[in-house]
Amino acid sequence: QKEVEQNSGPLSVPEGAIASLNCTYSDRGSQSFFWYRQYSGKSPELIMFIYSNGDKEDGRFTAQLNKASQYVSLLIRDSQPSDSATYLCAVKGNAGNMLTFGGGTRLMVKP
Amino acid sequence: EPEVTQTPSHQVTQMGQEVILRCVPISNHLYFYWYRQILGQKVEFLVSFYNNEISEKSEIFDDQFSVERPDGSNFTLKIRSTKLEDSAMYFCASSADSLANTGELFFGEGSRLTVL
Repeated sequence: QKEVEQNSGPLSVPEGAIASLNCTYSDRGSQSFFWYRQYSGKSPELIMFIYSNGDKEDGRFTAQLNKASQYVSLLIRDSQPSDSATYLCAVKGNAGNMLTFGGGTRLMVKP
Repeated sequence: EPEVTQTPSHQVTQMGQEVILRCVPISNHLYFYWYRQILGQKVEFLVSFYNNEISEKSEIFDDQFSVERPDGSNFTLKIRSTKLEDSAMYFCASSADSLANTGELFFGEGSRLTVL
């Protein structure tokens, strides 16, 4: 059974701070890792993806992947109240064309 | 910006009734998917569809479920005889390429199904 685990939160950070969201996965052969943002009652919206070990930056967002530790994280710099949402980690295994989602971490950015 | 569109946004049905949820994927995308999310729970994969056939399905996608691409634009999910536990938000998604080839998955706004 492939598992993707996230702390459900809420993670509360002040406006302007760095928010750090973490995710672990069980399938060592996993290939691709995605971060989605989901506002309450809305659909998941892709923020970024990462395939290789190390860091990948896109604007205020940085994804970090450590395949040896089976760990992927998302850093949000200069957090804004509009970043308040649930952040979903999703993993694609080494076979098939499906994503396995974690339960999400609820982020609250306080003005 | 191209988007995945879904109808209806909300459907209420009686247990045992058939339901069809409709989706129009992004026009140049080749891979289509249905996911669902029961309230307060994880997003779960149901089925993927490529080249006019199912390429992968989960344990949730049993004989009560079917998918179809009846024409060049629509992609439908049918639930033959709904159960209370089918109540969920159903998301259609599409990608231009396989997720193994760096394809990005784009979700529609969802269809909320309530089974009474």
